[in-house]
Amino acid sequence: DIQMTQSPSSLSASVGDRVTITCRASQGISSNLAWFQQKPGTAPKSLIYAASTLGGGVPSKFSGSGSGTDFTLTISSLQPEDFATYYCQQYSTFPWTFGQGTTVEIK
Amino acid sequence: EVQLLESGGGLVQPGGSLRLSCAASGFTFSTYGMTWVRQAPGKGLEWVSLISGSGAGTYYADSVQGRFTISRDNSKNTLYLQMNSLRAEDTAIYYCAKKKGVGYYPPDHWGQGTLVTVSS
Repeated sequence: DIQMTQSPSSLSASVGDRVTITCRASQGISSNLAWFQQKPGTAPKSLIYAASTLGGGVPSKFSGSGSGTDFTLTISSLQPEDFATYYCQQYSTFPWTFGQGTTVEIK
Repeated sequence: EVQLLESGGGLVQPGGSLRLSCAASGFTFSTYGMTWVRQAPGKGLEWVSLISGSGAGTYYADSVQGRFTISRDNSKNTLYLQMNSLRAEDTAIYYCAKKKGVGYYPPDHWGQGTLVTVSS
């Protein structure tokens, strides 16, 4: 199985900060990587697919990059509604696997 | 508008069975693969199973292989997950999700989830 490792596991940031989350795959997955946002008590929301393509309705403050084994999610200017947990997921090979999540908290 | 509505969760004893359903609307159901993802209390997301649009292809996580069966009824726009031999570690919120497209695509729409609790 492909293991997905996110870093950091959590971070504290202020409104307006630029935030970067890293996701590493244990083997190459081309660009078959997605990012999801989840707020407490709600279902995940799809943000990015194909490593860098924004999903419908996702604001441009979110961006993704990478291919192969190393990927990043960047939030250009953190807003109060962005405080949440973010997950990466590879869909290159079954079983699909998720990273352990990165919780973005208010500083 | 895509809508996914899960049902069928509840409290079940270890070793018991449960069938989850996911009613879909707002898209051509038979075109898209569908998947189940679960989340144990306070934990991260875990992929469970996926079925192709036609139903011919099915895939499972090792943790549920042989115990869970994914299926779909395209005439009813409904996805199912039959869960047998349930264990305490199967306790989770179960989400159904629609694949974004045919081929290499992740989920793009999610249901609100249904809670399964396995306990005596």
